[in-house]
Amino acid sequence: EAQVTQNPRYLITVTGKKLTVTCSQNMNHEYMSWYRQDPGLGLRQIYYSMNVEVTDKGDVPEGYKVSRKEKRNFPLILESPSPNQTSLYFCASSLSRTGGLNTDTQYFGPGTRLTVL
Amino acid sequence: AQKVTQAQTEISVVEKEDVTLDCVYETRDTTYYLFWYKQPPSGELVFLIRRNSFDEQNEISGRYSWNFQKSTSSFNFTITASQVVDSAVYFCALKSQGAQKLVFGQGTRLTINP
Repeated sequence: EAQVTQNPRYLITVTGKKLTVTCSQNMNHEYMSWYRQDPGLGLRQIYYSMNVEVTDKGDVPEGYKVSRKEKRNFPLILESPSPNQTSLYFCASSLSRTGGLNTDTQYFGPGTRLTVL
Repeated sequence: AQKVTQAQTEISVVEKEDVTLDCVYETRDTTYYLFWYKQPPSGELVFLIRRNSFDEQNEISGRYSWNFQKSTSSFNFTITASQVVDSAVYFCALKSQGAQKLVFGQGTRLTINP
């Protein structure tokens, strides 16, 4: 089954304790992205990757790191989490970052609900 | 700048009623893509439909239909004969060709009461 998976789905942690949220897709998609969803602020892009070893900042990259060593994986790293990073996080992927029929639909993972105390 | 406006924050209807969710977008790009996603209470984001800017044909999928009008920059979503399982937050989103992100509206929370 074609899908985007994220782990963990739920996480409660404390300020300053490094954590990684994994994201994996099995659709051979080039483009992957991380968003966070917050009440009143909607969905905002954190980082994106156009292909292996190619990553760039989105709208709210502060406090996050990413890496893209393999095409299928795009982990989100919080080196020193803070309470303002409490949020619902989504990973997404699409076949290609450029236009064209049926290549630009972003498919989302199930979400990771993170609470930083 | 790109922007998506979903003016209806919340809608509540009784089961079997028809309901339309409005979406108005702004972009200066000539090639762009519009999407609708559903976020049920379980929290995931489910892709519903994609429309290309050069294709204004309306689409129907079962009880769902979408009306894309470039003249009014709108991409409205209608659910016919609504069901309780349709209860969710629905997001309209916009992406320009070559852009690196989806621009989402604020979402419309739809509640279908039995």
